[in-house]
Amino acid sequence: EVHLLESGGGLAQRGGSLRLSCAASGFSFSTYAMNWVRQAPGKGLEWVSGVVGSGTTVQYAASVRDRFTISRDNSKNTLYLQMNSLTVEDTAVYYCAKDHYDYVRGWFDSWGQGTLVTVSS
Amino acid sequence: DIVVTQSPDSLAVSLGERATINCKSTQSVLYSSDNKNYLAWFQQKPGQPPKLLISWASIRESGVPDRFSGSGSGTDFTLTISSLQAEDLAVYYCQQYYSVPFTFGQGTKLEIK
Repeated sequence: EVHLLESGGGLAQRGGSLRLSCAASGFSFSTYAMNWVRQAPGKGLEWVSGVVGSGTTVQYAASVRDRFTISRDNSKNTLYLQMNSLTVEDTAVYYCAKDHYDYVRGWFDSWGQGTLVTVSS
Repeated sequence: DIVVTQSPDSLAVSLGERATINCKSTQSVLYSSDNKNYLAWFQQKPGQPPKLLISWASIRESGVPDRFSGSGSGTDFTLTISSLQAEDLAVYYCQQYYSVPFTFGQGTKLEIK
């Protein structure tokens, strides 16, 4: 069974940084792309970023490009999101989501429980 | 970017009745090379992450009750719950995975009448 566990959320100052992690188990981690999807309080879903299984190719939403960096450590079965220059608009629950293929297809077949990031002004 | 819009924003349906949610994209998500619609439906219950219900516009995921069905092609899609059960109370999202950035509809809140 696929299991995804996010961590690293919390309170950050505007302009500050946070690093999120997602520990994966129950599947062959390195053979699937992984993504981050966020949900602002009471709002809808927004895809943030994706990385291919090998980690060599990444993609970002325009709203986070140049501020956020997605990466993965396949030896540790862990996905990361380094978030810099945080703004109040980055306040959200951040979910890691497994893709169905080894490339970033956007077919999110499994999700973690999420970690809350709150950015204060 | 492909904009995905759902209607209605909220819906109240009696138990046992049919619920229908619509989803429209600003450009076709039908990929001509494989004739597949790159459109998914998710269910999100309060306090839980989204759950994938349907892929390729009409293919139910394993374990999803057959009262859930998806239809449509190109730019117009529908999620139908044939006989609403109490456990179907949730927000439903459609999402296109035709192109980056992957985008979601704004959600439809399904309530029990």
